[in-house]
Amino acid sequence: DTGVSQDPRHKITKRGQNVTFRCDPISEHNRLYWYRQTLGQGPEFLTYFQNEAQLEKSRLLSDRFSAERPKGSFSTLEIQRTEQGDSAMYLCASSLEGSNSPLHFGNGTRLTVT
Amino acid sequence: AQSVTQLDSQVPVFEEAPVELRCNYSSSVSVYLFWYVQYPNQGLQLLLKYLSGSTLVKGINGFEAEFNKSQTSFHLRKPSVHISDTAEYFCAVIISGGYNKLIFGAGTRLAVHP
Repeated sequence: DTGVSQDPRHKITKRGQNVTFRCDPISEHNRLYWYRQTLGQGPEFLTYFQNEAQLEKSRLLSDRFSAERPKGSFSTLEIQRTEQGDSAMYLCASSLEGSNSPLHFGNGTRLTVT
Repeated sequence: AQSVTQLDSQVPVFEEAPVELRCNYSSSVSVYLFWYVQYPNQGLQLLLKYLSGSTLVKGINGFEAEFNKSQTSFHLRKPSVHISDTAEYFCAVIISGGYNKLIFGAGTRLAVHP
């Protein structure tokens, strides 16, 4: 179990630029989740994949956000035309199937939009 | 809709003192309950979980939690805290029988002082 890996750890970008984050889940986990965490708040659900299928998207995920998991393994989260309000920690998690399977989180990507 | 309320945003405590972090949830259906811990600039680590059975659940690092269905609570306790327990603690729920989409509380900052 090498854990959930996220890259990069930190990203500073200027408003209006596009950014892409990567998440590598635990290898045998077929479920993958993206969450966003702002300062002083708990993580908020963004989207969820089962294998390569994106099964739910939160209303928080505006049309500037897109997530993919093309081969059912790693996932990318892209934010287009970044805004200062996008500054947050973006967390990826993975789990086995089964609603009682705990989520395993990566260390997150901290995005700062200047 | 499910929601989680963590009643204290910050809990200061002296080293070796006992601590209780409070969590209440609301749900019209059965839920699974979790506590996660987050150290600075890191992802979330699972402390413990309640799925079914005994209402007293023991987790890592000497923490335990008690599920109280009538009070819809899942308070986290530790009889004697250490400086290293200083972190953010999140209570979370998953709807049983659904996919494991975690809904988090806003978090409680535990600050252990010498």
